[in-house]
Amino acid sequence: NAGVTQTPKFQVLKTGQSMTLQCAQDMNHEYMSWYRQDPGMGLRLIHYSVGAGITDQGEVPNGYNVSRSTTEDFPLRLLSAAPSQTSVYFCASSKKTGTWDGELFFGEGSRLTVL
Amino acid sequence: GEDVEQSLFLSVREGDSSVINCTYTDSSSTYLYWYKQEPGAGLQLLTYIFSNMDMKQDQRLTVLLNKKDKHLSLRIADTQTGDSAIYFCAERNPGGSYIPTFGRGTSLIVHP
Repeated sequence: NAGVTQTPKFQVLKTGQSMTLQCAQDMNHEYMSWYRQDPGMGLRLIHYSVGAGITDQGEVPNGYNVSRSTTEDFPLRLLSAAPSQTSVYFCASSKKTGTWDGELFFGEGSRLTVL
Repeated sequence: GEDVEQSLFLSVREGDSSVINCTYTDSSSTYLYWYKQEPGAGLQLLTYIFSNMDMKQDQRLTVLLNKKDKHLSLRIADTQTGDSAIYFCAERNPGGSYIPTFGRGTSLIVHP
């Protein structure tokens, strides 16, 4: 059982370049989300999705786009990379159960450096 | 608004108990969680507590909840070097977004 898979694990970009961080889950989870983790800032929510075709903004959405065409995949697009987007990015998924649906399953992270 | 506060660092000796504290502001929070992040890895759910509970014990872990003060703590008994990690407190109000709100994380350093 692979869980949540993120690719790539490491990426270096130049300012202005665009790229897509991939996220896939094989647990048939309805909910998926993207976070960035910066030192001393904890986890900040970028975008999230409650199901295929539905996405919404989190706390820090500027400079990022998402789409959810299938239940399994939730890619994060950086439109024009900036040094401020240097961070570790985590994708997470969880199941909608109605009562207890709190556990998030995280990928191993994608470390992005923007020069 | 929702806010979750934690101290950033905690250093303990191997074999001692560790206590990691967290405060939250949303009085409607029903689910409170502790996640653990080991170096170079994603977060994993360590334990959780519902707001109708005061305490939950799971082997070396004890979670205490003081709803009046909106204070949550995680006690790790007989702390080991393998417990060195970042611990995140998180809370969720099921009447709001399904997404939990995370604290900034407490880095636990265990010295031999």
